[in-house]
This record gives sequence, structure tokens and C-alpha cells, in this order.
Amino acid sequence: SQTIHQWPATLVQPVGSPLSLECTVEGTSNPNLYWYRQAAGRGLQLLFYSVGIGQISSEVPQNLSASRPQDRQFILSSKKLLLSDSGFYLCAWSEYPGNYEQYFGPGTRLTVT
Amino acid sequence: AQTVTQSQPEMSVQEAETVTLSCTYDTSESDYYLFWYKQPPSRQMILVIRQEAYKQQNATENRFSVNFQKAAKSFSLKISDSQLGDAAMYFCAYITSGTYKYIFGTGTRLKVLA
Repeated sequence: SQTIHQWPATLVQPVGSPLSLECTVEGTSNPNLYWYRQAAGRGLQLLFYSVGIGQISSEVPQNLSASRPQDRQFILSSKKLLLSDSGFYLCAWSEYPGNYEQYFGPGTRLTVT
Repeated sequence: AQTVTQSQPEMSVQEAETVTLSCTYDTSESDYYLFWYKQPPSRQMILVIRQEAYKQQNATENRFSVNFQKAAKSFSLKISDSQLGDAAMYFCAYITSGTYKYIFGTGTRLKVLA
């Protein structure tokens, strides 16, 4: 069966510091991968998605970037965090080709101080 | 552009009763998929149910069922025999077939009263 991992679970970082969040998927090949951000009590904002190694589509141009160095690994990065980057970050995957069902990781709670 | 609207920010239901959460969407596409996700306090998003637009039959998963009205662009979720564990945020989501971008609604917070 497929499993999605995210780490760290919680992160507190000062403004201006770098960021690296990692997501890995097990039990499937060539998944579509996604990064979402969720502000407290709000909906999901799509940040990036990837349909293959090295292929990244950005939905929200800002100081965040994403990379997919391996088939089942998706990394969210920032060189310098802003206060507005605080939130709950969710990684997700869907099968391609497939039934469009999207499955989410446990999330990372990021607080920028 | 496609949009998904959840007009009920919060709903309450008595334990063992039935509740319906509303979702409307706007699209000019004919082939798409609709989903309901549950986000409990742990914030892990859990897929509840999926509906293919080409299927007229409403999807059902145990106590969860949908009322899919394609012409009205409506996709409501019915939860029967509500349990305390059903308390969560519920999100409606849409994706056009052949694309990669999911559109989520703003969510409905469901409270289950004992």
C-alpha cells in the first residue's frame, strides 16, 4: 500500500532563515506531487505541483521554491523566510494515470518568529 | 476558471442524526471529478468520497453519501448516523479530467453534539 511521509512535523524558524521541508511517497511510481499551504482556519492554497522528476509548476510566485530530485521525493524550500510564510504545509500525491484521488501527508506546522 | 463554493462555514448536528453539507462549483467542462475531504483536529486530510461527473449514480461510502446534481453544479455530502468522530472540517474539491490542479472550497466546520 502507498504511504506518504512529511518531515519535520513542527518547525519554528526565525525570519530570514532558510527552510527545507521534505515529502516522500512509498508504494507507487511516477506520482503527481503537490505542496499546499493552509493558514489557520482557512482553505488550501496550492503552491507547487510536479508531474515528474525536475518538472515543477508554480501556482503562487513568492519566496518559496520546490524541487523533485527523485521520483517520489518532493522538497519545499526557501532561502529567507518571511512572517507570512507561517502556516500548515501539506504534501499530497495522486496516481498517474489514475482515478484522480489525492492523498495527503500528515503536514508540517511552520511558525516563523 | 473553475471555482468551488461552500456556503456553510459551520454546521452542527446531534449525534446519531443526519446532516448535509453543501458544495457548488462552476465549470464549463463536462468531464471532471469531485471529492469530499475530512480534516479532523489532527489536520490530516482524509479522502471521504469521490464522484465521477460521467456517472449519474451518486457515490456512497458507508454512512457518507453524495447528492450529485450535474446540471445544477451541486455536490452535497450527507452524513448519516453522525458520530462524535465525524467532527471536523470538510472540504469539497474539484479537478478537470486530464489536468493536475485541484480546486478546493473554503471548508465547512462540522460540530457533532452529544
